[in-house]
Amino acid sequence: AQSVSQHNHHVILSEAASLELGCNYSYGGTVNLFWYVQYPGQHLQLLLKYFSGDPLVKGIKGFEAEFIKSKFSFNLRKPSVQWSDTAEYFCAVIFDTGRRALTFGSGTRLQVQP
Amino acid sequence: DGGITQSPKYLFRKEGQNVTLSCEQNLNHDAMYWYRQDPGQGLRLIYYSQIVNDFQKGDIAEGYSVSREKKESFPLTVTSAQKNPTAFYLCASSIAQRGMNTGELFFGEGSRLTVL
Repeated sequence: AQSVSQHNHHVILSEAASLELGCNYSYGGTVNLFWYVQYPGQHLQLLLKYFSGDPLVKGIKGFEAEFIKSKFSFNLRKPSVQWSDTAEYFCAVIFDTGRRALTFGSGTRLQVQP
Repeated sequence: DGGITQSPKYLFRKEGQNVTLSCEQNLNHDAMYWYRQDPGQGLRLIYYSQIVNDFQKGDIAEGYSVSREKKESFPLTVTSAQKNPTAFYLCASSIAQRGMNTGELFFGEGSRLTVL
């Protein structure tokens, strides 16, 4: 069965540090890729998405992600984090299996220390 | 205000009882979803519906049931057959363009169910 893996469960960084959160999926077909963020006390919201074209996609709040097809990865990056980036981050995938719904990873809790 | 409304926000249930969680949206979205969120497990898909009067099982549908009689509404019933129902339940909706999911989900605030 198709799956999405996020190996970093809890990441602690200081402000201004660079961020990279890993996301891998297991599927050989076509995928659509997403990163969602859940700030404390708020709804989940979309950070960025990749459907096709340039594999480097930019999202809101300075985040970007790169799709590397050969590695089945879609890692999230930010050059310099802020305290306000403290949140839980979820990678999600739509697999072209006919199921038209997102499969989410287990999430990464990011804590940014001032 | 356009959005998704889930109710109740908190719910307590005795073992053996069924309970129904409400999800209403006024975004005119075709697709609706139910996810279950547990610490360390992310969001797991329970059921989804792309169109009125049609729905599909997700990864953890056992012990749950849904209906989609109206475009705006997608209630979830947690039945007594669900072995571990205590969880946080999230409802979401999205636009389906030409039958394809755009992937941008709009989430409700969630319902926390506790089984006593």
